[in-house]
Amino acid sequence: AQTVTQSQPEMSVQEAETVTLSCTYDTSENNYYLFWYKQPPSRQMILVIRQEAYKQQNATENRFSVNFQKAAKSFSLKISDSQLGDTAMYFCAFMNNNDMRFGAGTRLTVKP
Amino acid sequence: SQTIHQWPATLVQPVGSPLSLECTVEGTSNPNLYWYRQAAGRGLQLLFYSVGIGQISSEVPQNLSASRPQDRQFILSSKKLLLSDSGFYLCAWSFSSGRVGELFFGEGSRLTVL
Repeated sequence: AQTVTQSQPEMSVQEAETVTLSCTYDTSENNYYLFWYKQPPSRQMILVIRQEAYKQQNATENRFSVNFQKAAKSFSLKISDSQLGDTAMYFCAFMNNNDMRFGAGTRLTVKP
Repeated sequence: SQTIHQWPATLVQPVGSPLSLECTVEGTSNPNLYWYRQAAGRGLQLLFYSVGIGQISSEVPQNLSASRPQDRQFILSSKKLLLSDSGFYLCAWSFSSGRVGELFFGEGSRLTVL
């Protein structure tokens, strides 16, 4: 079975600074998708960014970008110019054939 | 536009009592449906997912079960709750094709078993 590991339970960053959240995964599959989801306090979980495993180019969405290292099975999220609204739980996720697995999450706090 | 409704939002139940959480999706057809449990301080644990009516894949059966009686309805049940069933339950849906992996989550149901 696929597993997703987020080794940083909590992180903090100063407003306007850059922070990187780590994620590693384990799979024997070659075709899959990776995601970062955000769960703000008392709000619904939403998709932040998506990466197809067959694409070598790292995905970017405005201030959010990923560093996808397929051979190392690593998928980190970089948040640039952090904003107070970025405070949330961030979950790394892996999907193969409709089976979506999540990591334990990283609680990010953006400090003013 | 598509919406997802999940209820009840909160539930306090005694050990040994039954459970029924319901989730419905509107504005789309043949969605993939998911039930996750989020325990305090932990990530999301996949419980069940369904790619069609009557098709349920179980990851952590234990004393929980799921059913999909209609295309856009997903129900999580238990005949006898355990203390360990306490947690935050999330229903989610995704398109069956295209937009792979984008899950749309409900607002969740917080279950406390006493």
